[in-house]
Amino acid sequence: AQSVAQPEDQVNVAEGNPLTVKCTYSVSGNPYLFWYVQYPNRGLQFLLKYITGDNLVKGSYGFEAEFNKSQTSFHLKKPSALVSDSALYFCAVRDSPSNTGKLIFGQGTTLQVKP
Amino acid sequence: NAGVTQTPKFQVLKTGQSMTLQCAQDMNHNSMYWYRQDPGMGLRLIYYSASEGTTDKGEVPNGYNVSRLNKREFSLRLESAAPSQTSVYFCASRDPQGQPQHFGDGTRLSIL
Repeated sequence: AQSVAQPEDQVNVAEGNPLTVKCTYSVSGNPYLFWYVQYPNRGLQFLLKYITGDNLVKGSYGFEAEFNKSQTSFHLKKPSALVSDSALYFCAVRDSPSNTGKLIFGQGTTLQVKP
Repeated sequence: NAGVTQTPKFQVLKTGQSMTLQCAQDMNHNSMYWYRQDPGMGLRLIYYSASEGTTDKGEVPNGYNVSRLNKREFSLRLESAAPSQTSVYFCASRDPQGQPQHFGDGTRLSIL
């Protein structure tokens, strides 16, 4: 069965420092991977996706993610964190090879960026 | 361009009451989804509709029903609400071909 794990409930980083939010996955077949961000009292907003191609994917708001097939990871990164990046981040993988588009989400990681 | 609109935004129910959560999208997407979000558990799929006229169960369908009224609208019904259904409910829609899902801002539901 497909699954996603985000091993850290919370990540704390100082403003201006690089940040990494970790995600590992387990799928049968080729993975379709996504990162979403959720601000308080809002829905999820799409950041970036990996389907095929370059292992380094660039997305919205300066975020990028590195796909690593051998480690089955898809970590979210940003070179210089902003206080406004503080939010809840979800990694997700498409469920099964079908085209229903169902996603399986990790449990989420809260990113806290301190001034 | 509103995207995905959910109503109501907040609701408090008593155990045993029924309620329908509404969702509409204006992006002409074929697929629509209902999730619930609980602390520490991420989002779990309740039901989905791959296309107009079809609905299927997700991971946690018990206690819920859905209706895909037309291409735009996908409603979620709680027939007899239980405190375990206290949650934040999100509707999402998607174009095919691996595109990301677009989410509404959620309905915060408390059942006493």
